[in-house]
Amino acid sequence: GQQLNQSPQSMFIQEGEDVSMNCTSSSIFNTWLWYKQEPGEGPVLLIALYKAGELTSNGRLTAQFGITRKDSFLNISASIPSDVGIYFCAGQLGSGNTPLVFGKGTRLSVIA
Amino acid sequence: DVKVTQSSRYLVKRTGEKVFLECVQDMDHENMFWYRQDPGLGLRLIYFSYDVKMKEKGDIPEGYSVSREKKERFSLILESASTNQTSMYLCASSSPGSSYNEQFFGPGTRLTVL
Repeated sequence: GQQLNQSPQSMFIQEGEDVSMNCTSSSIFNTWLWYKQEPGEGPVLLIALYKAGELTSNGRLTAQFGITRKDSFLNISASIPSDVGIYFCAGQLGSGNTPLVFGKGTRLSVIA
Repeated sequence: DVKVTQSSRYLVKRTGEKVFLECVQDMDHENMFWYRQDPGLGLRLIYFSYDVKMKEKGDIPEGYSVSREKKERFSLILESASTNQTSMYLCASSSPGSSYNEQFFGPGTRLTVL
């Protein structure tokens, strides 16, 4: 199947620091989504992007849909302990019912 | 509040047993999905369904089958469980009419096959 390269695999940061993670692919995607999974729960959607170049914020989170449509990044500003979890990027190659392709996740740990 | 529920949070089965994992959504979504999640491998799609009685293979369908007799329910079946099927299983649903193809996930079933 298609692959999304998500990096870094894991991060250990101090509370208050900013965080950046990204996803790249050799394929062009029509939609990019960022999910967060907390321990013992299923992933929850954080931000959705559907236009090349689009920059969207959700509180302290900001995500961008790359101009080439082959990448996306997620930034978290001023991290807090509840930001801990696994962050997944997901892309949709087609539209409508085309399944999402998921990255392998970035595990974020925040040290108070 | 939208909800995807999975029948069990934790399950322990023996090699060779037939295992049923049930997923129910209350959002009247047409699309339903089954993934498995393993450390370092992310979410891998096993099967998905766009409508009742309809199914499509995902990336790793071997050793699994599915059933969708009602719109709200999507079952994952392990015909003869093996130890390499020990994993976290996540169910999701979505509506093709949504702008972002947002998938709503259940809490997951952690399956251990001994």
